[in-house]
Amino acid sequence: DIQMTQSPSSLSASVGDRVTITCRTSQTISRNLNWYQQKPGKAPALLIYATSSLQSGVPSRFSGSGSGTDFTLTISSLQPEDFATYYCQQSYSTPALTFGGGTKVEIK
Amino acid sequence: QVQLVESGGGVVQPGRSLRLSCAASEFTFSNYPMHWVRQAPGKGLEWVAVISNSGGNQYYADSVKGRFTISRDNSKNMLHLQMTSLRSDDTAVYYCARERNYFGSGSYLGPWGQGTLVTVSS
Repeated sequence: DIQMTQSPSSLSASVGDRVTITCRTSQTISRNLNWYQQKPGKAPALLIYATSSLQSGVPSRFSGSGSGTDFTLTISSLQPEDFATYYCQQSYSTPALTFGGGTKVEIK
Repeated sequence: QVQLVESGGGVVQPGRSLRLSCAASEFTFSNYPMHWVRQAPGKGLEWVAVISNSGGNQYYADSVKGRFTISRDNSKNMLHLQMTSLRSDDTAVYYCARERNYFGSGSYLGPWGQGTLVTVSS
């Protein structure tokens, strides 16, 4: 099974900050990496698929990059509505899916 | 718009069974594989099971294999998860989600339902 390690597990940041979350996989997954945002009490929602493709309706301050085993989600200028938990997920080794442990972004 | 609505959650004693359902609307249900993903209280996301668009193939996480059964009724746009021999560590919010494929061989989950809470407790 592909293991996924997200870091950090949590972070505190201020509105306007640039935030970077990383996801490392135990084996290469090409670019088959997705990012989800989950707000408290809500279902996860897709942000980015295929490493860097922005889901329709997602603000351009979100971006993704990487390949192989190392991936990054960047929020260029953190907004109040971005405080949430973020998860990476691989779709290289299917049909089973694997999620990272999550990164909680909190207000400083 | 595309919608998934789960139902069937509740409080159940250890060792008992429960059946979850997910009603799909506003898309051609039979075209898409469907997944169940769960989230224990205060924890991360855990993939549970997937069923192919026709229903002919199912795959499970090791943690539920042999106890849970995923099924679908394409004539009624319904997805189900039959859960047996429930344990306390099955306590979680259960989400259904549609799988969408993208260029190459990748896929993502979207949309997700709002989730239904299953609590296994005596």
